[in-house]
Parts: sequence; structure tokens; C-alpha cells
Amino acid sequence: AQSVTQLDSQVPVFEEAPVELRCNYSSSVSVYLFWYVQYPNQGLQLLLKYLSGSTLVKGINGFEAEFNKSQTSFHLRKPSVHISDTAEYFCAVSSSASKIIFGSGTRLSIRP
Amino acid sequence: NAGVTQTPKFRILKIGQSMTLQCTQDMNHNYMYWYRQDPGMGLKLIYYSVGAGITDKGEVPNGYNVSRSTTEDFPLRLELAAPSQTSVYFCASSQQQQASYEQYFGPGTRLTVT
Repeated sequence: AQSVTQLDSQVPVFEEAPVELRCNYSSSVSVYLFWYVQYPNQGLQLLLKYLSGSTLVKGINGFEAEFNKSQTSFHLRKPSVHISDTAEYFCAVSSSASKIIFGSGTRLSIRP
Repeated sequence: NAGVTQTPKFRILKIGQSMTLQCTQDMNHNYMYWYRQDPGMGLKLIYYSVGAGITDKGEVPNGYNVSRSTTEDFPLRLELAAPSQTSVYFCASSQQQQASYEQYFGPGTRLTVT
């Protein structure tokens, strides 16, 4: 069985500060890892994904994530956030096209 | 490309009514999915389809039905609406040939059952 745990339900940060959103997963098979972003009243869109190779993955809007196999983590980071980054962020794992598991989400709120 | 489109955007149903949520994709994806999103609970898979004529249950299929007569369309049917089905529903699609299984989402349908 696979599972995804997003350790923080809400993360408030000041504008231009760095942020890290944490994600841990468990799986008995190799998985692909994703971060999706959901802006208010919209569907989810892909931020970045890890398939294989380099453990540091860069995505859109200046976000990046690091895959750590020993710690089964895939934390999302951005060195300097903007008001426009206010959204909910979902970590997800997949081992097949018919099975993708989403975390419960982390709401990122940016204070001016 | 419109991507994944969903109608309606909002709907209020009375208990016991039925309705169909529409989903269409124009990317020729073979996989399609229906999720529901409840506050603080992430997304739960209701049903998915691997191609026209083939559907299968996800994590929370009770109270819902689906069909897939074409590659493009994947409607979700609620037969006897219950308050527990109040949620936001998302349709998504993906292409099996894309080894990453990246999913593309529609904008959602917000359903309230009273």
C-alpha cells in the first residue's frame, strides 16, 4: 500500500521569505512523485515531478523539490515567495496510471 | 486546446434528486478520473477509466456511476443525492504513454446537497 503525509496543514510566511512544505511517503514499490498547486476556485495543476535521475527537481514559478529515498521525503521549497504563491499545495505519489495517492494538502498563506 | 472541461460549475440539489456531472477532454488521453475533494481531506478517487468502454471503481465509488462511451467524455452520475455527497468534484485525464502518469485537471464542479 502507498500513503502520503503532508506534515503541515497550513504554513503562513511573509512575502519574500523562504518556504518549505513537507511531504513524506511510504510505498513498497518504486513510485513517481509530484507536487500539484491549486489556486482558489481552480483545479489542480502540476508544479513539478520526480521520475528518476537527479534528486533535485525544478518546477514552475521558482519552486523546487528534493527526493530523499532514505528519508522517504519529497519536500517542496522556494527561496523567496510572492503574494501570488498563495494557494493549496498537494503532494502525490503514483506507481501506475490508475493509482495516484494525494496528500491532504498544505495551505500556503503569504503575509505582506 | 481547452484541456479538461467540466459542467456545471455549481449546482444545488435536493436530497434524492439525480444529476450528471459532465467532463470532456480534447487531448486524446486514454485515462480519465473522477475525484471528490472535501475540506482538509485531499482528493479521493471515485472512478476511473482506462479507455472507451472500460471503467473501474476507485476509493469511494458508492452512490456514483460512470460510463465512457467515447475517448473524450466521462460523465459522473449521482442517482439519489445525499448530503454526504456535498463536495467539489474534479475530473482529470492522463496519457498512459507518458510514463510519468501526470494528470491534467478540470476546474471543478461545486455540488451542494440539501
